[in-house]
Order: sequence, then C-alpha cells, then structure tokens
Amino acid sequence: EPEVTQTPSHQVTQMGQEVILRCVPISNHLYFYWYRQILGQKVEFLVSFYNNEISEKSEIFDDQFSVERPDGSNFTLKIRSTKLEDSAMYFCASTGQGTEAFFGQGTRLTVV
Amino acid sequence: AQSVTQLGSHVSVSEGALVLLRCNYSSSVPPYLFWYVQYPNQGLQLLLKYTSAATLVKGINGFEAEFKKSETSFHLTKPSAHMSDAAEYFCAVNPSGTYKYIFGTGTRLKVLA
Repeated sequence: EPEVTQTPSHQVTQMGQEVILRCVPISNHLYFYWYRQILGQKVEFLVSFYNNEISEKSEIFDDQFSVERPDGSNFTLKIRSTKLEDSAMYFCASTGQGTEAFFGQGTRLTVV
Repeated sequence: AQSVTQLGSHVSVSEGALVLLRCNYSSSVPPYLFWYVQYPNQGLQLLLKYTSAATLVKGINGFEAEFKKSETSFHLTKPSAHMSDAAEYFCAVNPSGTYKYIFGTGTRLKVLA
C-alpha cells in the first residue's frame, strides 16, 4: 500500500540552526501539506502546496519557514533559524483525487 | 472560520463496552469530516470520512460515525472496545473551498481491562 514517508524520524538541532525536513508523498498525489503537533497539543496546519506553489498557509508559517518540491518525488520543509518553540512533531501529508489526506509517520524536531 | 470541537480530552471505557467519542463542527455548509487515530509515537491514520454521501459512515477497526446535520455532530462509536483501541482520536474538518484540515484537540481513549 502506498504511503507517505518522512525522514529523519527524529532530529535534534541547536537553536538558530537551519533544518530541512524531508517527505516523499504518494507518487500520484497532487496536493502536499505540512502540519505540526506540539507535544500534548492538537495538530496544526502549516501550509499546502499545489502545482509547485503555496496554495494556502497559516499564520504559523512565517518567513522562517519555506517549502520546496526540488524534484518529482521529494517535498521539503525548511526552518531557517530554529527557535525553542519550533520543537514539535512535523507531519507531511498528501492528497490525490479523493478528499482524504494520507499522513507520514512524522519527524520529531527537538531544538536545544 | 470552520472548526471542530471534541468534548472530553480523556475518555475511559471498559474492554467490551461501547466507545463514544464526540465531535461537533461549526459550519453553515456541511463540510467534509474525518476521524483520525494516532497510536503512541506514530502518525495519523484515517479511520473514516464523511463526504456528503451516506450519513452513517463505517470505517476501519469496527468504528463508525454518524453525520447529524441538525446537531452539527459527527460522533465516533464502536460497539465493543478492545485494548488495542487505546490511542488518541482526532476529528477533523476540511473547510469547503480549501484543501487543509482543521483538527480538533483530540480525545485520548483509555481501555480498561
């Protein structure tokens, strides 16, 4: 069964450093998303991406964040200068022709 | 803005008992609604979805949910809880005209032996 894969599963980084979280969406899907979940809190929408551009973003997704689809398979989230409050689980998701989103297993980002 | 409210951040049931997890949505237009399950240290797995077809939706693992427009609800039920059902359950809405999901705050289900 096709699935969304994310790497790494866990990343520890120093405050102020740049991180890139990577995702491989399901191959025939067209819409891609990033969500985050701060420990013990709800899942929050960050950004959606379609046709090589951002289609929607939340207020969380400020200038420190960027997304890219560098090739035909990968979808990345970059945080330019990490802050302690960026520590969270980050989920990538994709949707195809249907309405349901398929989520990856997540990357746990810890900023120290 | 469309949203979902999940009543009860923690629910405990005995093994074999009925599971009822509540979700209410706010929308003037019936949206697409979903239930996801998250097992410890794992991602989100789709349980079921409502997309304006049948109001009673059956999902995986014996779960089902009923869309009630008059009550703006989409409660999740399972007739008989199993220990393996212990997890966090999230209700989500896909606001019309967007592709994003808005998640509820989640309900952690505990199943007692």
